[in-house]
Amino acid sequence: ETGVTQTPRHLVMGMTNKKSLKCEQHLGHNAMYWYKQSAKKPLELMFVYSLEERVENNSVPSRFSPECPNSSHLFLHLHTLQPEDSALYLCASSQGSSGDRTDTQYFGPGTRLTVL
Amino acid sequence: AQKVTQAQTEISVVEKEDVTLDCVYETRDTTYYLFWYKQPPSGELVFLIRRNSFDEQNEISGRYSWNFQKSTSSFNFTITASQVVDSAVYFCALSVYITGNQFYFGTGTSLTVIP
Repeated sequence: ETGVTQTPRHLVMGMTNKKSLKCEQHLGHNAMYWYKQSAKKPLELMFVYSLEERVENNSVPSRFSPECPNSSHLFLHLHTLQPEDSALYLCASSQGSSGDRTDTQYFGPGTRLTVL
Repeated sequence: AQKVTQAQTEISVVEKEDVTLDCVYETRDTTYYLFWYKQPPSGELVFLIRRNSFDEQNEISGRYSWNFQKSTSSFNFTITASQVVDSAVYFCALSVYITGNQFYFGTGTSLTVIP
């Protein structure tokens, strides 16, 4: 595997379910990101991890819970979501360890989430 | 505040035509970076170019070229002799060297190249 991978690619869940999205980067990067992409809206940055430490949380509802066990893996745990949370969730990584977000970010293919 | 505007929501061109995608940005910072990404139907954002605010030289890479003009705060992207494989959503993004949320994306331009 090369680059940034995400699983699953598609997920349908009910509002009472608990699920997790997984991201893995094979680039040796130190920073990882979660974005939400909704139709007709700019990409929304959700969380940033630098060297496994969360450095940013952009007022994301608590029903989204990130986890970064090591610099190569990033999870997004989901519980009691709402239909408006349906979107494409993109993971990205970048090289910098200092939280320098001017580094180029490399993206995974995303998980298409549908909340019923 | 930082902002990126891509006024063209959708563009359609016939194959082999040239097409320019516009990007206008706003920032008060003097040090910043500009990016273009391509998002094909598969969903993955593919990095195309990164340019810092101190380098106004235009760049050409194959059929792709970028025109950076600080005077008009624009970073436009031209595809020459478009091909069907160029059909995708293209995003312009701005990054500034401050703490906090530093990556700002435009809303994207959906390009359809008709064979």
